[in-house]
Amino acid sequence: GAVVSQHPSRVICKSGTSVKIECRSLDFQATTMFWYRQFPKQSLMLMATSNEGSKATYEQGVEKDKFLINHASLTLSTLTVTSAHPEDSSFYICSASLQGLSYEQYFGPGTRLTVT
Amino acid sequence: DAKTTQPNSMESNEEEPVHLPCNHSTISGTDYIHWYRQLPSQGPEYVIHGLTSNVNNRMASLAIAEDRKSSTLILHRATLRDAAVYYCIPLANQAGTALIFGKGTTLSVSS
Repeated sequence: GAVVSQHPSRVICKSGTSVKIECRSLDFQATTMFWYRQFPKQSLMLMATSNEGSKATYEQGVEKDKFLINHASLTLSTLTVTSAHPEDSSFYICSASLQGLSYEQYFGPGTRLTVT
Repeated sequence: DAKTTQPNSMESNEEEPVHLPCNHSTISGTDYIHWYRQLPSQGPEYVIHGLTSNVNNRMASLAIAEDRKSSTLILHRATLRDAAVYYCIPLANQAGTALIFGKGTTLSVSS
């Protein structure tokens, strides 16, 4: 099956610093990637849709200047949390949609961000 | 987006079948019904999807009501590794459409 990786799997940073999370589709090309975050005991919340070569589309309430998304190639999307604060601590998950007729989505293993 | 209703939680014993229901009465006529599951501290995992006919794969079966307003995910023999949150999600069959997650059903499996 299709594999999506995320790096790092876990990161701890100090308040005010920026953190970059990478999402890679390892064995397929992904025109579209999605970023979600998940707070403890809650469901996944869609943050943004990332299309290769174009600007990301952010969901209502998600600050585009705080959560910078870059989708520079068909296999890599990055999410940068700028000026992180403790309330940004969360589980960040990306997914990639297979190009073509199948619209199954494949999820990365997630990145646990803790801001101290 | 079509609204879905799932039980908050269900329990099962190992080796027994599990039927996970989902109501999606406002589903669009062209939306597929997708099921994903999320094990603790992991990203979600695709389980199965269908449009009108019942579907089977190595993980599960999907039974879709004739009026498409509900569906049931069937795990034929639950194992401890099937303990997860199961999400039923209507999804338009077009590129670039995001999965919108509801609260899902937390399945517990006892040995």
